Amino acid sequence: GENVEQHPSTLSVQEGDSAVIKCTYSDSASNYFPWYKQELGKGPQLIIDIRSNVGEKKDQRIAVTLNKTAKHFSLHITETQPEDSAVYFCAAQAGSARQLTFGSGTQLTVLP
Amino acid sequence: DTAVSQTPKYLVTQMGNDKSIKCEQNLGHDTMYWYKQDSKKFLKIMFSYNNKELIINETVPNRFSPKSPDKAHLNLHINSLELGDSAVYFCASSHTIREQYFGPGTRLTVT
Repeated sequence: GENVEQHPSTLSVQEGDSAVIKCTYSDSASNYFPWYKQELGKGPQLIIDIRSNVGEKKDQRIAVTLNKTAKHFSLHITETQPEDSAVYFCAAQAGSARQLTFGSGTQLTVLP
Repeated sequence: DTAVSQTPKYLVTQMGNDKSIKCEQNLGHDTMYWYKQDSKKFLKIMFSYNNKELIINETVPNRFSPKSPDKAHLNLHINSLELGDSAVYFCASSHTIREQYFGPGTRLTVT
């Protein structure tokens, strides 16, 4: 089955700096890669996703890049703000799979 | 107005008891899920239902039994609760496997 590894487990940045979270996956058949943000006491919320036919996707201050050859994908947050502080999860899904496989999460803290 | 709702939000109970968590979605989705999030924040899928049919049943003790009375509801019943069952349980729904919408979670504490 799919295995997703996520790094780092914790990340602290100064407000205004950029943050990068990286994930690797094992199943070369995976073709959908979402990112979720989980704020304290809430459920995960989908913030951006990318499909395997695209190398990069951007939405305002967040972007995701995908390297299919190396089987890794990354979340980039620019101009970080305190409200970006949360746990971020990457996930992967193979086309035939009926479930998402999640990474272990990254606790992002944006320091004012 | 809430897309995916769960009740209760907090559940404190003693070992050996039986409890249920309810989930409802008003998004018109045909697939619903139960996830368990442990103290280290790791998210693991437990069950998935599509159009009231069980399609995913991960390695979960058979003390856990999902029930889907209709497409909008997926309940989780847990028998003979154990200390290790303490976790946050999330319900989610989606139109396809992708773009899953999560509920607010139910924090279960077994004492």
